[in-house]
Amino acid sequence: DTGVSQNPRHKITKRGQNVTFRCDPISEHNRLYWYRQTLGQGPEFLTYFQNEAQLEKSRLLSDRFSAERPKGSFSTLEIQRTEQGDSAMYLCASSPGQGAFETQYFGPGTRLLVL
Amino acid sequence: EDQVTQSPEALRLQEGESSSLNCSYTVSGLRGLFWYRQDPGKGPEFLFTLYSAGEEKEKERLKATLTKKESFLHITAPKPEDSATYLCAVQARGSQGNLIFGKGTKLSVKP
Repeated sequence: DTGVSQNPRHKITKRGQNVTFRCDPISEHNRLYWYRQTLGQGPEFLTYFQNEAQLEKSRLLSDRFSAERPKGSFSTLEIQRTEQGDSAMYLCASSPGQGAFETQYFGPGTRLLVL
Repeated sequence: EDQVTQSPEALRLQEGESSSLNCSYTVSGLRGLFWYRQDPGKGPEFLFTLYSAGEEKEKERLKATLTKKESFLHITAPKPEDSATYLCAVQARGSQGNLIFGKGTKLSVKP
């Protein structure tokens, strides 16, 4: 039984470049979440999918951020025109999608450094 | 505004020295509370879910309890491998799934 996987694990980019991260949830999990975590802080919610539908977006998700889950399986998070303030760990989580309150299982994260 | 506060920020214990971590929350109706463990450079690892005041959950040396305003994570006779950051998160009623996390407590257990 594999857990949530994320790729790449690390990404270094220059300011102004675009980056894309991928998340593969636990098999048959219908809900998928993206969070961002900066040093010394807890994760902060970015967005959430139920199957392929994006149901909730945080105010943190500026116009430069876009997330997709085209077939209700894996998801991508793209950041356009990266800024140094985007440097963080980007975490993906999934849950079964059967009830209103479920445990979210996290992946290992993608650490982004914007130079 | 929904908020989670964890204390202390950091805790250093000797192996075998029991202690407790605190998570206090302000939320517009609690649907549930989670505890996670996070090792450096890794994603949070699920420990416990608590739904209602008075509930308790145990796993090895860890025990989580919940009241109407706070949760405690008790660590009994800790070992060096228990060293990690412990995160508390809540889900509010009306939320579609977004968790509100505290900043965590960084625990160091010395042999």
